Amino acid sequence: EAAVTQSPRNKVAVTGGKVTLSCNQTNNHNNMYWYRQDTGHGLRLIHYSYGAGSTEKGDIPDGYKASRPSQENFSLILELATPSQTSVYFCASGGDWGEYEQYFGPGTRLTVL
Amino acid sequence: GDSVTQTEGPVTLSEGTSLTVNCSYETKQYPTLFWYVQYPGEGPQLLFKVPKANEKGSNRGFEATYNKEATSFHLQKASVQESDSAVYYCALSDPGYNQGKLIFGQGTKLSIKP
Repeated sequence: EAAVTQSPRNKVAVTGGKVTLSCNQTNNHNNMYWYRQDTGHGLRLIHYSYGAGSTEKGDIPDGYKASRPSQENFSLILELATPSQTSVYFCASGGDWGEYEQYFGPGTRLTVL
Repeated sequence: GDSVTQTEGPVTLSEGTSLTVNCSYETKQYPTLFWYVQYPGEGPQLLFKVPKANEKGSNRGFEATYNKEATSFHLQKASVQESDSAVYYCALSDPGYNQGKLIFGQGTKLSIKP
């Protein structure tokens, strides 16, 4: 079954440390997305990608980098983690031309101490 | 820019009562409209989508009509169940302007009392 998976599911990091969140999709979609979800803000787009080698800034990219080394994999990188980046992060694939819907992974809960 | 506004939560209902979650949108293009549902501890999942104005989408007893004139896409269910407790997101995809991106509302948390 086509799916979006994320790892790790839970992560505790220290302020100033580097954090990498990973996402893998077997949907064969060109587009992939990273969102964060916070109470009162809903889902906010951080970075997205149209295919291997491409990354684009979303609505709140500051403090985050992204990497798309292959069709299947999309990573979100926090070079210097801060407590304000404590959140739940979701990866999604889809949004390809003519379809538009996105399929989400189960989320990663990140706590930065 | 494009935006989506929906009923502010949380909303608490008793089992068997009817549900309406309002959703209004702003865009200069011709969007596809979506309702997503998110259960505790899971990612959002597509409930249904409607790509054309004046058409209705439905799934699991939920339905919504794409009203282009009123720029609305209200979610309705005649009789809610405890298992409907979740967060509901209205969203739009604007193919002409934000290709591939979804614009989400802020979400409406629904709790159903048995």
